[in-house]
Amino acid sequence: QQPVQSPQAVILREGEDAVINCSSSKALYSVHWYRQKHGEAPVFLMILLKGGEQKGHEKISASFNEKKQQSSLYLTASQLSYSGTYFCGTAYSGGGADGLTFGKGTHLIIQP
Amino acid sequence: KAGVTQTPRYLIKTRGQQVTLSCSPISGHRSVSWYQQTPGQGLQFLFEYFSETQRNKGNFPGRFSGRQFSNSRSEMNVSTLELGDSALYLCASSLALAGGDTQYFGPGTRLTVL
Repeated sequence: QQPVQSPQAVILREGEDAVINCSSSKALYSVHWYRQKHGEAPVFLMILLKGGEQKGHEKISASFNEKKQQSSLYLTASQLSYSGTYFCGTAYSGGGADGLTFGKGTHLIIQP
Repeated sequence: KAGVTQTPRYLIKTRGQQVTLSCSPISGHRSVSWYQQTPGQGLQFLFEYFSETQRNKGNFPGRFSGRQFSNSRSEMNVSTLELGDSALYLCASSLALAGGDTQYFGPGTRLTVL
């Protein structure tokens, strides 16, 4: 089942903050966050695993609420380079053996 | 370390033909996953291979198949192409199974079916 992302799109001024949410109707094993710019491959941002382990870029922060099957990506003091489409990918079974299911994406536009 | 590479980068085929796409993972990575990306459906999981075995498969018809070689390189095959198969096909590699590890994506193969 595909996770649901919100908002679908957001426009910010440089320096403003944004939160992107990802929710699932099934219990999650892991949540993965990627950013994709037009014409490019998705770039890894963060992985959050059941039990609290996280790996990701220093300037990116995210949360994972296992009880609510939700994750949020926090973008603070946004820069022009943050523009792009953000995807969350979710895995459900133990060990992540079922592959990743991605949400439809959140389009983020940062204006100067 | 070299990243994930995909060949070819662009392909134009006609309906009914078949196509083979290739993916070379990051050195040492044993998992390769394939995804189809279209504007309407977004990023959809096709299948994942780990140590030459298909570990899971997405909801795609049997025309889509793949394999992984002993050096972890992977190929994806689509037979009897349809117009709806036009898409960007991405592969991604990881050390462990994709659901529990960081995946790194290749640049993709843009397939156009006429």
